[in-house]
Amino acid sequence: AQKITQTQPGMFVQEKEAVTLDCTYDTSDQSYGLFWYKQPSSGEMIFLIYQGSYDEQNATEGRYSLNFQKARKSANLVISASQLGDSAMYFCAMREALDRGKTSYDKVIFGPGTSLSVIP
Amino acid sequence: DTEVTQTPKHLVMGMTNKKSLKCEQHMGHRAMYWYKQKAKKPPELMFVYSYEKLSINESVPSRFSPECPNSSLLNLHLHALQPEDSALYLCASSLQGGHNQPQHFGDGTRLSIL
Repeated sequence: AQKITQTQPGMFVQEKEAVTLDCTYDTSDQSYGLFWYKQPSSGEMIFLIYQGSYDEQNATEGRYSLNFQKARKSANLVISASQLGDSAMYFCAMREALDRGKTSYDKVIFGPGTSLSVIP
Repeated sequence: DTEVTQTPKHLVMGMTNKKSLKCEQHMGHRAMYWYKQKAKKPPELMFVYSYEKLSINESVPSRFSPECPNSSLLNLHLHALQPEDSALYLCASSLQGGHNQPQHFGDGTRLSIL
């Protein structure tokens, strides 16, 4: 079964500094996708960045980049130049796509999350 | 602003009430999902709809009844809920198939059971 591990329950970072949030995963699939989501205290779940298992380049989206090390099964999120608005819960997730005949099924497995606090 | 709209944003109900949560998306997504999320925990999958048909029910109690009237709408009917059902309920949608399609979430409904 697939599993996502985030070993940092809480993290603090100084404003304008960079921070790395850890994520490791376990899967026997050769093809898979990894996502990071941000959830502020208001509750909405915001998609940040995606990394495919066959992508040779690490994904980047603005201040977010993903340090993908396939052999180690890790997909760490790097946030550069932290801002106060980055304070939130961050979830690493993996999408499992299953095909059963004519129907496709999709499940997303979430890690336990990391609470990031940016200090002014 | 999210592209998945959930109503209401907040709901307080008694254990004998019947209410419904609504979710709407106009992105042409054919997969829609209901999640339950307790504080400081990750979302837990409840139901998956694929092309308006229920494809996954994660052993959810029958007091939660999902409905997908069309490809843009997803409802969650609530009846005789328990205090432990108080949580944030998130709706999501995605393009069908493929590992590279993120799920897009609504802002959620905060449900409190008295």
